[in-house]
Amino acid sequence: NAGVMQNPRHLVRRRGQEARLRCSPMKGHSHVYWYRQLPEEGLKFMVYLQKENIIDESGMPKERFSAEFPKEGPSILRIQQVVRGDSAAYFCASSTQDQPQHFGDGTRLSIL
Amino acid sequence: ELKVEQNPLFLSMQEEKNYTIYCNYSTTSDRLYWYRQDPGKSLESLFVLLSNGAVKQEGRLMASLDTKARLSTLHITAAVHDLSATYFCAVDISDQGGKLIFGQGTELSVKP
Repeated sequence: NAGVMQNPRHLVRRRGQEARLRCSPMKGHSHVYWYRQLPEEGLKFMVYLQKENIIDESGMPKERFSAEFPKEGPSILRIQQVVRGDSAAYFCASSTQDQPQHFGDGTRLSIL
Repeated sequence: ELKVEQNPLFLSMQEEKNYTIYCNYSTTSDRLYWYRQDPGKSLESLFVLLSNGAVKQEGRLMASLDTKARLSTLHITAAVHDLSATYFCAVDISDQGGKLIFGQGTELSVKP
């Protein structure tokens, strides 16, 4: 049973470009979460999605960031017009209802 | 503002010694998680604590939860080098489940 799959593992973008991060949840999991981890810090909640619905986006920056979890395909975290401060590791997790979250290996985003 | 605070943030231990990591949180929650993260890797779930007084043990690690004191502990017994990693506690504060608030992490280094 494959775990949570994130790609790419590493992503390099120049300031002003767009970054798209993908997350395929574990089989049977319908809940997806995105977290951001800055160096030497813990993970910060960004958004919680179920299929075609955003449940809680209280941790998402108001501008440039968006997330979706379509009926078919992976969840996407999209960052438009990236800035240096967006450099971080972005982790996706998935779960079933009321079960612990399983984390992917993360996407390390570097902004030049 | 909800806070989850771990201490210590850095812990250098000798092998075969015992130590405890503390996790204090500032709001009501009945679900607390402990994760392990190796450098550059994802988070590995260690323990899920779901009720007051819960105690779980796995190998040299034991976790407990006191919801009245809003405190969880991760006790390390007779440390070995393989336990070197960063340990995070996380509190689930969402009524719908899923929004985890993480502590800053405790970086553990076990030396011979």
